[in-house]
Amino acid sequence: QVQLQESGPGLVRPSQTLSLTCTVSGGPINSDSHYWTWIRQPAGKGLEWIGRIYTGRSTTYDPSLKSRVTISADTSKNQFFLKLTSVTAADTALYYCARIPINDGSYGMDVWGPGTTVTVSS
Amino acid sequence: DIQMTQSPSTLSASVGDRVTITCRASQSIGSWMAWYQQKPGKAPKLLIYKASSLESGVPSRFSGSGSGTEFTLTISSLQPDDFATYYCQQYHNLIFTFGPGTKVDIK
Repeated sequence: QVQLQESGPGLVRPSQTLSLTCTVSGGPINSDSHYWTWIRQPAGKGLEWIGRIYTGRSTTYDPSLKSRVTISADTSKNQFFLKLTSVTAADTALYYCARIPINDGSYGMDVWGPGTTVTVSS
Repeated sequence: DIQMTQSPSTLSASVGDRVTITCRASQSIGSWMAWYQQKPGKAPKLLIYKASSLESGVPSRFSGSGSGTEFTLTISSLQPDDFATYYCQQYHNLIFTFGPGTKVDIK
């Protein structure tokens, strides 16, 4: 049974870089059957897709965040990472990582981590 | 970029009601639509993928339909556990986008 767990600092200063880790257990992230993705949700608001990584290397990002986002992976540790630069208060949110099966043409996010809250404040 | 709209934004219903939520995409996405249920303080739960495929373990009262630009999520008989917020999500050209959500509350 695949499980995901987000981790990282809960407080980031404005203009600094937000860095989060998603640790995956129960299945390899270098599989060609899944995308691995980051999503965020400001308090009381909707879901926003950030980007995804595939086979530990190929990435795609939401166009509105593309200039500030990097998603990478360490397949030896079965972890993938989110870096978001030049953060502002608007980046304060609950950040989720999730898995996306692709082999059956699903493209639905079927396994999610519990989320980690990041606050941007001085 | 593909924009998603959902209607209604809020829906008040009673246990046993048939509930329909609509999601529209600004351009055709084929059948690449998924639906999620989210309860307060919890991660979203996948209900439907590929527009009409029921995720394993999801009750059969949930169903999805549509293709192209218009999609619906239907709950055939609303149960107490179904009061939550529902999101649609599209996939097109390697980009994912969520709809703004529909909150289903008790009438």
